[in-house]
Amino acid sequence: TQLLEQSPQFLSIQEGENLTVYCNSSSVFSSLQWYRQEPGEGPVLLVTVVTGGEVKKLKRLTFQFGDARKDSSLHITAAQPGDTGLYLCAALGTARQLTFGSGTQLTVLP
Amino acid sequence: NAGVMQNPRHLVRRRGQEARLRCSPMKGHSHVYWYRQLPEEGLKFMVYLQKENIIDESGMPKERFSAEFPKEGPSILRIQQVVRGDSAAYFCASSPWVTGSRDTQYFGPGTRLTVL
Repeated sequence: TQLLEQSPQFLSIQEGENLTVYCNSSSVFSSLQWYRQEPGEGPVLLVTVVTGGEVKKLKRLTFQFGDARKDSSLHITAAQPGDTGLYLCAALGTARQLTFGSGTQLTVLP
Repeated sequence: NAGVMQNPRHLVRRRGQEARLRCSPMKGHSHVYWYRQLPEEGLKFMVYLQKENIIDESGMPKERFSAEFPKEGPSILRIQQVVRGDSAAYFCASSPWVTGSRDTQYFGPGTRLTVL
C-alpha cells in the first residue's frame, strides 16, 4: 500500500501570503494528482503531474513533482479567501484506485 | 454534460437498518469507484466496478458491505445492519475507459450517512 504523507495538516494564513503544501512518500509513483475539496462537496481535480521534475502552473497555484517521483508540492502565491479548502494529493494504484494523502486544511483569513 | 450524481445527499439510519447509496456516473463513463471519508480521516478506496463486474473490492469491509453496477441504472453501495462506525461521507467517482497514468476520476458530491 502506498503511503502519502501531507504536511502541514492545518494551515491558517492571512490573505496575500504565500504558502507551500507538501506530499511525501517512500514509494515511486507514475503520477500524482492534487485535489481540492470544499465542505459538503466531493474532491475536484486540480492537476496531474507525470514526469519527474515537472512543474505545472494553474493561475496562482504551482505544482511540482520531485525528480525521483516520490514527492510533490503545491505552492500558492498571494492566497485569497477563496483558496480555503482541503487540499489532497493522491496516487493512482495499479488497480486504478486512488490512494489519498491525509490532506492539508487551508484557511485563508481576509 | 451532467456531473456524477449521488443520492441521497444525506441519509440517516438507526443501528441495524440498511443503507442504500446510489451513484449515476457521468454520461459515457463505464468505470465507477466508491470511497469513504470517515471523520478526521482521509478518503479511502472501497471498490472499483465496471458494468456488471466488480474489478477490485480490496477496500471493502468483509461483512455487511456490497456494491453493484448493473447493466442499466445507477451503481449501488449497500450497507446492511448499519453501526455507528459506518457514519461517514461516501463518495462515488467515475471515469471513462482510459488507460495510462493520466486517468481522471470525477467525483460526485457525496452521501453523508449518519447512524443513530
